[in-house]
Amino acid sequence: GAGVSQSPSNKVTEKGKDVELRCDPISGHTALYWYRQRLGQGLEFLIYFQGNSAPDKSGLPSDRFSAERTGESVSTLTIQRTQQEDSAVYLCASSFRNEQFFGPGTRLTVL
Amino acid sequence: RKEVEQDPGPFNVPEGATVAFNCTYSNSASQSFFWYRQDCRKEPKLLMSVYSSGNEDGRFTAQLNRASQYISLLIRDSKLSDSATYLCVVSRQAGTALIFGKGTTLSVSS
Repeated sequence: GAGVSQSPSNKVTEKGKDVELRCDPISGHTALYWYRQRLGQGLEFLIYFQGNSAPDKSGLPSDRFSAERTGESVSTLTIQRTQQEDSAVYLCASSFRNEQFFGPGTRLTVL
Repeated sequence: RKEVEQDPGPFNVPEGATVAFNCTYSNSASQSFFWYRQDCRKEPKLLMSVYSSGNEDGRFTAQLNRASQYISLLIRDSKLSDSATYLCVVSRQAGTALIFGKGTTLSVSS
């Protein structure tokens, strides 16, 4: 069956612009997670959804970052007024029970 | 102190070697433990969950020592295809955020 998909796969933007990243989880997976991986670094947790609500937003680095999920399905991560330090691969994962399955990520480059 | 710490390596071993990776975690309340594998410029993929009783999957053996807050991964008879970064991962509660170590890089050569 289809895995987690993310779009776009690559995004280059100018500093100060807003970007939206999309995640389509595996059908039926109730939990959805966003992580960030900067070059040469480990994955950092950003936010997770159980259904459409976000019980844990503790990893969002600033109020420029927000995320929503609708229909217990698609999620979008929005970064406003992007900064160069936002450059990273943004990974989405979904799970039904304990195992998280990752999408291929969106590589964001902020010039 | 990072919540999950690993030796970054790299570990360079010949085919057929046995190699062991270690990891420590700082939060004694952690409940779930995993090893993930990440190939270059790819997403992480679950290699195996880790249980207190220890578990084995083919050439891979994982151990958890809750008292020492220590997790290990043993790879026997290394293959070229085992070359990757191995991520030690913990979770404070099942189904919640995963906390990743920075990874240990393994390079297997012929």
